[in-house]
Amino acid sequence: DAKTTQPPSMDCAEGRAANLPCNHSTISGNEYVYWYRQIHSQGPQYIIHGLKNNETNEMASLIITEDRKSSTLILPHATLRDTAVYYCIVRVGRGTGANNLFFGTGTRLTVIP
Amino acid sequence: ETGVTQTPRHLVMGMTNKKSLKCEQHLGHNAMYWYKQSAKKPLELMFVYSLEERVENNSVPSRFSPECPNSSHLFLHLHTLQPEDSALYLCASSLRQGDYEQYFGPGTRLTVT
Repeated sequence: DAKTTQPPSMDCAEGRAANLPCNHSTISGNEYVYWYRQIHSQGPQYIIHGLKNNETNEMASLIITEDRKSSTLILPHATLRDTAVYYCIVRVGRGTGANNLFFGTGTRLTVIP
Repeated sequence: ETGVTQTPRHLVMGMTNKKSLKCEQHLGHNAMYWYKQSAKKPLELMFVYSLEERVENNSVPSRFSPECPNSSHLFLHLHTLQPEDSALYLCASSLRQGDYEQYFGPGTRLTVT
């Protein structure tokens, strides 16, 4: 699986857009970019995933560069409840062996009032 | 709410006790998972069930015994645990076994005394 690199922490003002970057320069053609987050003491929460096109759902938008070596998760109007650790994961669409989700260290996003 | 519920949310048990964790998913998914999350360690996959059949058991000690009576319910039976088993136990589900789009429950915070 391709390795990902994320900044360890970011701050964002409440109501502003939060832009969380992720580098995955060794991504291969059949690997998707997944984003999860984990709020303190809660289970991980799936946010969004994409292959090469930009994706949007009710939670966030995912922008993937044309060369697929990096991506950005956008929370359009951050709220205090969006304070969490955000994980960028690169995996093939379906696992053929171990079904493990490896989260790495992620980006700790703090939304400031 | 993710559509995956877990009970109890908190559990304190002695090393000689027997207890069970329960997970229920309301998403119509066919695969369910048990994960263990310890402080400052990556998420560890314990068991995978697909259509009530166990498809993966990642070298988990026999003091943890899973049960999947139907595709909506998953149990983790605990007996003679050790203090190092104290952790957050997370249940997740996905549409198909192997999918990385997984939906997690809130977890059970287990403390073994």
